[in-house]
Amino acid sequence: SAVISQKPSRDICQRGTSLTIQCQVDSQVTMMFWYRQQPGQSLTLIATANQGSEATYESGFVIDKFPISRPNLTFSTLTVSNMSPEDSSIYLCSAYAGSLDTQYFGPGTRLTVL
Amino acid sequence: EDKVVQSPLSLVVHEGDTVTLNCSYEVTNFRSLLWYKQEKKAPTFLFMLTSSGIEKKSGRLSSILDKKELFSILNITATQTGDSAIYLCAGRGRGAQKLVFGQGTRLTINP
Repeated sequence: SAVISQKPSRDICQRGTSLTIQCQVDSQVTMMFWYRQQPGQSLTLIATANQGSEATYESGFVIDKFPISRPNLTFSTLTVSNMSPEDSSIYLCSAYAGSLDTQYFGPGTRLTVL
Repeated sequence: EDKVVQSPLSLVVHEGDTVTLNCSYEVTNFRSLLWYKQEKKAPTFLFMLTSSGIEKKSGRLSSILDKKELFSILNITATQTGDSAIYLCAGRGRGAQKLVFGQGTRLTINP
């Protein structure tokens, strides 16, 4: 299985600021994803992070709010911009392991916006 | 729009009981269904099911898929307090790697 690390593991931020979350995978993977899990809710896909090109966003999520980078096959970042309390969630990075045809998740970042 | 529905949303049982968690799905060009266990933040992978009628088993956990009726079940026998968690199922379509998650079942095992 792919081992995924994320940082920070948690943060408390002020309204109007931005936070960048980093995701590192221990092996090269074809696809990386960013999910959001709001309190008491299930996981919702934000976007697919594409290596060398712009991320593919799901309905309801836009690049200006959630810019994503993926400079290589093992690393990606998600920025939550101009934060409001509604952005308080767990943000999860995941990677598709082609050899096992399944998807693994990082430990998540718990974000609280005051 | 693809949809995954889990039931029950919450379940409380006593240690030693057997539980069955349900997952129904409507996924375009269905390819596979995955089960995850979420204890704190990170969902941990349990099973991936692609074929009907073939049971996947790991210790006290097992799962099976019915592609005709579009559902899957996750069984946990001889439950332990460490099984307390949210159990998530997710559907995946052919040609796509993104997952569509159900709401999750919050399972609580009381000693």
